Amino acid sequence: EAQVTQNPRYLITVTGKKLTVTCSQNMNHEYMSWYRQDPGLGLRQIYYSMNVEVTDKGDVPEGYKVSRKEKRNFPLILESPSPNQTSLYFCASSLRAHEGGRSGANVLTFGAGSRLTVL
Amino acid sequence: AQTVTQSQPEMSVQEAETVTLSCTYDTSESDYYLFWYKQPPSRQMILVIRQEAYKQQNATENRFSVNFQKAAKSFSLKISDSQLGDAAMYFCAYRSPPGGTYKYIFGTGTRLKVLA
Repeated sequence: EAQVTQNPRYLITVTGKKLTVTCSQNMNHEYMSWYRQDPGLGLRQIYYSMNVEVTDKGDVPEGYKVSRKEKRNFPLILESPSPNQTSLYFCASSLRAHEGGRSGANVLTFGAGSRLTVL
Repeated sequence: AQTVTQSQPEMSVQEAETVTLSCTYDTSESDYYLFWYKQPPSRQMILVIRQEAYKQQNATENRFSVNFQKAAKSFSLKISDSQLGDAAMYFCAYRSPPGGTYKYIFGTGTRLKVLA
């Protein structure tokens, strides 16, 4: 089944304890991205990656790191989590970063979400 | 910078009736992509409909259609014959064109309630 898999789905942690949220897709997608969802703010993009070893900041990158060493994986790293990073996180991917064919290749497929609480 | 605005935090519709959700956006680009995503209580994000800015024809997907007004920078979603399963949070989203920033910009969402 074509999907984006995030883990963990739920996590409660404490301030300053490094954590990684993994994201993996099995669709050979070039483009991957991370979002956080907060009440009243919608989804905000944290980081995105256009392909292996190519990443760039979204609108709210502070406090987060990413890497794209393999095409299928795009982990989100919180080096020193703080309570303001308590949120619902989504990973998403799309076939291509470049929409040359106008074929719907930029439609995002989302993971199921990861609920993170930082105490 | 591009922005997406959904001015209706919550809407209600009677089952089998029609409802329209509003979305406006701001951009200086001429070629871009617009989307509506649905988030039911399961939290899963699901694509509802997609529109390319270069197309004048409004996109439709079964009971879902859009009213795309490029000059007014408006992209509303119409749901016809509303069903209980349509109850969800709906997000409007903007995607930059090739050669742009490759960012997605989402609105703050509209929660749709469907009344039996």
